[in-house]
Amino acid sequence: GEDVEQSLFLSVREGDSSVINCTYTDSSSTYLYWYKQEPGAGLQLLTYIFSNMDMKQDQRLTVLLNKKDKHLSLRIADTQTGDSAIYFCAESTSGTYKYIFGTGTRLKVLA
Amino acid sequence: GAVVSQHPSRVICKSGTSVKIECRSLDFQATTMFWYRQFPKQSLMLMATSNEGSKATYEQGVEKDKFLINHASLTLSTLTVTSAHPEDSSFYICSASRRTEAFFGQGTRLTVV
Repeated sequence: GEDVEQSLFLSVREGDSSVINCTYTDSSSTYLYWYKQEPGAGLQLLTYIFSNMDMKQDQRLTVLLNKKDKHLSLRIADTQTGDSAIYFCAESTSGTYKYIFGTGTRLKVLA
Repeated sequence: GAVVSQHPSRVICKSGTSVKIECRSLDFQATTMFWYRQFPKQSLMLMATSNEGSKATYEQGVEKDKFLINHASLTLSTLTVTSAHPEDSSFYICSASRRTEAFFGQGTRLTVV
């Protein structure tokens, strides 16, 4: 079945860039998403990318997609302490609203 | 963006009782909603797809008699955890989709004592 993998932890210093990686197996994925989850809270959509794109930039966030390798990354520029959270990548296929989530990456930003 | 409201945000119940969690799409109609479960420090696992006016579709390994889903209207889906046990303690999140985007509720933390 579909599988989405992420590294579990990432620690960066305030002001540095963070890069969170994600790999997926479903070649029919149409949309790929990045969500942020703060402690005890629901999910906040950060950004998403269509599978026919290879890059999307939105303020401090840059998403890169390598469809051939089924690899997705999220770069956060000038990382702040408020960015500390768990980041999930997720994929869905056109025509369904069923999301498959990655394992989540816990980002810790050190002051 | 669209708003999905989940209620309650926290609930503590005694073992053996049932708990109902509501998921409402406040500003759009959702024919399909989804229920996820999140174990501590783990990812979200899809439990079931809730379809308005018909039976829910459960993922493999999810007991449909244990987790009752009702989607009686285009704006409301409910998840009832029946005869709850401590192992049912978890964070439950619903989502409702509009066009290409899913909107998530704020989650319900269930603790069974």
